[in-house]
Amino acid sequence: GAGVSQSPSNKVTEKGKDVELRCDPISGHTALYWYRQSLGQGLEFLIYFQGNSAPDKSGLPSDRFSAERTGGSVSTLTIQRTQQEDSAVYLCASSLRGACFFGPGTRLTVL
Amino acid sequence: GNSVTQMEGPVTLSEEAFLTINCTYTATGYPSLFWYVQYPGEGLQLLLKATKADDKGSNKGFEATYRKETTSFHLEKGSVQVSDSAVYFCALSDHRFGNEKLTFGTGTRLTIIP
Repeated sequence: GAGVSQSPSNKVTEKGKDVELRCDPISGHTALYWYRQSLGQGLEFLIYFQGNSAPDKSGLPSDRFSAERTGGSVSTLTIQRTQQEDSAVYLCASSLRGACFFGPGTRLTVL
Repeated sequence: GNSVTQMEGPVTLSEEAFLTINCTYTATGYPSLFWYVQYPGEGLQLLLKATKADDKGSNKGFEATYRKETTSFHLEKGSVQVSDSAVYFCALSDHRFGNEKLTFGTGTRLTIIP
């Protein structure tokens, strides 16, 4: 079956622009996560959605970052007024009662 | 809060050598523990997991035992292959309050030379 998909796979943008990153989780998975992986760094938790519960936004680094999940399925991570330090690979994952399945990521480069 | 500390890399071994990558954790509850692997140019994928104390997770010749007394989940393989070259991440998931958020270690890059 289909895994987690993310789009775009690569995004190059100019400092100050807004970007939207999309995640399509595995069908039926109730939990969805966004993580960030910077060069030479580990995985940084950003936000977690579980069913209809309020999302855990504790990892969002600033108010420029926001995410939503529509209809319990597709999720969009939005970064407003991008900065160079936002450059990273943004990973989405979904799970159902257990381990996460990760998407291939979106590589964001802010010039 | 929860945290995961894993052995710093990079680690370079010869083919058929014995591998250990150390991982220790801090959690207030009873977490599940995981090892994820990221092969070059690929996404993260689950390697193995253990959900309670003394459980042993295993896959592809890799093993890790959930040790509550030492709060550890060390990854081992008896004879590594070139194809095992990858970055390995230890992680925990704390199920309290229904939140299964994964907390990751910083990753250990493993290179196996023929």
